[in-house]
Amino acid sequence: GAGVSQSPSNKVTEKGKDVELRCDPISGHTALYWYRQSLGQGLEFLIYFQGNSAPDKSGLPSDRFSAERTGGSVSTLTIQRTQQEDSAVYLCASSAQGSNSGNTIYFGEGSWLTVV
Amino acid sequence: AQSVTQLDSQVPVFEEAPVELRCNYSSSVSVYLFWYVQYPNQGLQLLLKYLSGSTLVKGINGFEAEFNKSQTSFHLRKPSVHISDTAEYFCAVSVPGGSARQLTFGSGTQLTVLP
Repeated sequence: GAGVSQSPSNKVTEKGKDVELRCDPISGHTALYWYRQSLGQGLEFLIYFQGNSAPDKSGLPSDRFSAERTGGSVSTLTIQRTQQEDSAVYLCASSAQGSNSGNTIYFGEGSWLTVV
Repeated sequence: AQSVTQLDSQVPVFEEAPVELRCNYSSSVSVYLFWYVQYPNQGLQLLLKYLSGSTLVKGINGFEAEFNKSQTSFHLRKPSVHISDTAEYFCAVSVPGGSARQLTFGSGTQLTVLP
């Protein structure tokens, strides 16, 4: 597609359930990022994929969070045993190269997760 | 590690008035600087970026920003705002050649344009 696509756009889940959030980056972009945006806060880095390199998982807040990127394209962020503090907007982004090259990072519209 | 400070969490301004959104950064090395805009219920969109060269950077929608190395600032300006400029604005900094985690965002400034 023309932009970064995320699904679902909205998800309400019960505490303790697992959720999967999907990101389809811009075609040809080798770099993919996941961020979390809580109400009134800035963006919190979660994880970064670059080509076939090992992902940078240093931002994942706990072992309940994991992400994978299949075939260098689509990525799935999984949150296991969701907690209320996981409620946030999860933003996916992609770029032609990593942010450290100055390339523009393009964001999706986010997946709004509410844990009740 | 680098950091970004957006001093104003909310900036109300009347339509057609000028606006400046402040951004200061801290880094021991040279940086790239970015401004993003987030309209309600949307993702972030790049307004402009500074990589090198001229310190005055022009972006989309009539916005511009000036990189001031001595003051470690990258303030965003627009001479005349419109209602449609109402949005959240984020300043960000990254380190050339650094890791992805080193792309750091400020906490955002909510710009509200009043009629």
